[in-house]
Amino acid sequence: GENVEQHPSTLSVQEGDSAVIKCTYSDSASNYFPWYKQELGKGPQLIIDIRSNVGEKKDQRIAVTLNKTAKHFSLHITETQPEDSAVYFCAASKGAGNKLTFGGGTRVLVKP
Amino acid sequence: ETGVTQSPTHLIKTRGQQVTLRCSSQSGHNTVSWYQQALGQGPQFIFQYYREEENGRGNFPPRFSGLQFPNYSSELNVNALELDDSALYLCASSLGGQGGEKLFFGSGTQLSVL
Repeated sequence: GENVEQHPSTLSVQEGDSAVIKCTYSDSASNYFPWYKQELGKGPQLIIDIRSNVGEKKDQRIAVTLNKTAKHFSLHITETQPEDSAVYFCAASKGAGNKLTFGGGTRVLVKP
Repeated sequence: ETGVTQSPTHLIKTRGQQVTLRCSSQSGHNTVSWYQQALGQGPQFIFQYYREEENGRGNFPPRFSGLQFPNYSSELNVNALELDDSALYLCASSLGGQGGEKLFFGSGTQLSVL
């Protein structure tokens, strides 16, 4: 089955700096890669996603890149703010109706 | 907010008991998935229901079972609770078909088994 690995497990950045989280996946049939943000006491919130026919996608301060050949994808957060502090999860699936396989999570702390 | 609601928010049970968790999906969504999230880990897929039928199952024993109702709400039942069942149980709803890969999660039910 699919295996998703996520690095780093913790990330501390100064407010205004950039944060980068990297994930690798094992199943070349995976074609959908979402990123979720989870705050304390809440469920995961979808923040951005990318499909395998696209190499990069951007939404304001958040961007995701995908390298299908290397089977890895990354989340980039620019101009970090204290409210970006949370646990971030990457995931992979084979599309609609298929399960999401999650990475182990990255705890991001943005220091003011 | 995603519009996915789960109840109860917290639950304490003892080993061997049975528990039922409930989920109301986002308006217009006909697919519900359940995930288990142990402390400090990513969510793990339990199973998915589409139009009241189980549509995929993860590596969980048969004592984990579910239902989906005609209004697309869903229940997760766990029998013979074990200590390792202590976790956050997340429900996610999605559309079937095109665009159905986007999952929207509720806030979860925190289950503690003593």
